[in-house]
Amino acid sequence: GQQVMQIPQYQHVQEGEDFTTYCNSSTTLSNIQWYKQRPGGHPVFLIQLVKSGEVKKQKRLTFQFGEAKKNSSLHITATQTTDVGTYFCAGRDTGGFKTIFGAGTRLFVKA
Amino acid sequence: DVKVTQSSRYLVKRTGEKVFLECVQDMDHENMFWYRQDPGLGLRLIYFSYDVKMKEKGDIPEGYSVSREKKERFSLILESASTNQTSMYLCASSPRSGGEQYFGPGTRLTVT
Repeated sequence: GQQVMQIPQYQHVQEGEDFTTYCNSSTTLSNIQWYKQRPGGHPVFLIQLVKSGEVKKQKRLTFQFGEAKKNSSLHITATQTTDVGTYFCAGRDTGGFKTIFGAGTRLFVKA
Repeated sequence: DVKVTQSSRYLVKRTGEKVFLECVQDMDHENMFWYRQDPGLGLRLIYFSYDVKMKEKGDIPEGYSVSREKKERFSLILESASTNQTSMYLCASSPRSGGEQYFGPGTRLTVT
């Protein structure tokens, strides 16, 4: 079945450093979504990418969808303490109607 | 703003009890989901529903059932709670198939 792998599992950074999390699917995706979950909170939708090679930006966050629509990345420039939390990718298989979540990357930011 | 509410933030039940977790959304969304979240395992889909009275099994439906009698409400039922069902349960809704999901605050269930 469809699998969505996300790496790394954890990342510790110094405030001001950059951060990237990667998402890889075993199958071609019709879309990829990214969510952020603050400690003690619930996942909050950030963005959805649909097109091959698509790049979208939200302030310091840059999201990419691979050309083959099987991988994606989230890059945060100059992290801040407010960026702490777990970032999840979620992909929908082109042949199905379920969205599968990756296990998430937990980001720690040291001030 | 989409609002998804869950009946309890914390719940403690005994092994063998029947447990009901309720979820309500106020945005007329067609699709609703139940997930459980465990450390290191991410979000795992238990059941979802794309319409009233319709339900589909997710990846880990064993030991659970669901009910969707009204569009805004999606209930998760643990027929006979077991300790391995101790987890955080998250409900979500979505306006379209494969679209963005809006999550409730979660219910942390402990089964003793």
